[in-house]
Amino acid sequence: GENVEQHPSTLSVQEGDSAVIKCTYSDSASNYFPWYKQELGKGPQLIIDIRSNVGEKKDQRIAVTLNKTAKHFSLHITETQPEDSAVYFCAASRSAGNMLTFGGGTRLMVKP
Amino acid sequence: EAGVAQSPRYKIIEKRQSVAFWCNPISGHATLYWYQQILGQGPKLLIQFQNNGVVDDSQLPKDRFSAERLKGVDSTLKIQPAKLEDSAVYLCASSPSGANVLTFGAGSRLTVL
Repeated sequence: GENVEQHPSTLSVQEGDSAVIKCTYSDSASNYFPWYKQELGKGPQLIIDIRSNVGEKKDQRIAVTLNKTAKHFSLHITETQPEDSAVYFCAASRSAGNMLTFGGGTRLMVKP
Repeated sequence: EAGVAQSPRYKIIEKRQSVAFWCNPISGHATLYWYQQILGQGPKLLIQFQNNGVVDDSQLPKDRFSAERLKGVDSTLKIQPAKLEDSAVYLCASSPSGANVLTFGAGSRLTVL
């Protein structure tokens, strides 16, 4: 089955700096890669996703890049703000309707 | 639109006792998922329903866990008997049929003593 590795497990940045979280996956048939943000006491919330037919996607301060050859994808957050502090999860799946396999999570702390 | 509703939010039980969690998905979402999230880890899929049928329950410990979605709407996840290692947050999620975009509930936190 699919295996998703996520690094780093914790990340501390100064407000205004950029943050990068990286994930690798094992199943070459995976073609959907979402990122979720989980705040304390809440369920994960989808923040951005990318499909295998594109290499990069951007939404305001958040961007995701995908390298299918190397089987890795990354989340980039620019101009970080204290409210970006949360746990971020990457995930992968083969196709619509198939199960998502999650990475272990990254705790991002943005210091004011 | 209303989100995914879960109850109870918190439950503390002794080992070998039983517990049940309830989930009401977003209206119209045909696919419902139960995930287990152990502290410090990512969510792990336990079971996926499409309407009232099971799509994937390969990671459900069937000797103690059961789940049903009898009318294709809300769902119940049961653990009997509970073990210490079942302490976790149980997340319910739903999505439209054939889509990957999951909406999660706030979760039910289980502590087994």
